[in-house]
Amino acid sequence: DTGVSQDPRHKITKRGQNVTFRCDPISEHNRLYWYRQTLGQGPEFLTYFQNEAQLEKSRLLSDRFSAERPKGSFSTLEIQRTEQGDSAMYLCATPGRDGGAHNEQFFGPGTRLTVL
Amino acid sequence: AQSVTQPDIHITVSEGASLELRCNYSYGATPYLFWYVQSPGQGLQLLLKYFSGDTLVQGIKGFEAEFKRSQSSFNLRKPSVHWSDAAEYFCAVGAPSNDMRFGAGTRLTVKP
Repeated sequence: DTGVSQDPRHKITKRGQNVTFRCDPISEHNRLYWYRQTLGQGPEFLTYFQNEAQLEKSRLLSDRFSAERPKGSFSTLEIQRTEQGDSAMYLCATPGRDGGAHNEQFFGPGTRLTVL
Repeated sequence: AQSVTQPDIHITVSEGASLELRCNYSYGATPYLFWYVQSPGQGLQLLLKYFSGDTLVQGIKGFEAEFKRSQSSFNLRKPSVHWSDAAEYFCAVGAPSNDMRFGAGTRLTVKP
């Protein structure tokens, strides 16, 4: 158990609908990361937070995607006007006990999104 | 920019046989290197990591990996594979404060 929970675990939606995922680390870490994993590929970085501040965004994060971490604890990832290409596993990760000094990350179970 | 290549998409080994999964990385400075395992329907689990020091690192479940700077490699090994090791294995490279870059993964099948 990595101490990172994600909700929901599975989401099926129709193209054009909006979806929101949530990530809850058990312990408060100053950093929180979002990744996307498509079938047959490794995770790809989307964005990360240092406390409430969103410090880096990948070019994969189109303007339909938005992420927040309002209180520096849990985080949400919203996708607006979903497309079939958004179907993937969305993973959340937080640093290890060393606070991320070596960028060690522990992953939640992920939210699997299917866009019909 | 850092990147990772896992040359083998799929490997099949017999139970009890030894295993080596290859990983090559590209990074300008001394990299932080990781191996993760992902079983079907499960999240990514950290097997082991290399930051500095001894180039042979030990991980969980009997895995080890060796960092070879001259070859830009960080291969994962296990002396004797168990059926429960069947999974997808990902090599990753990270840098301080930055995202982690993953390889495409190697799927391991274990024959009885």
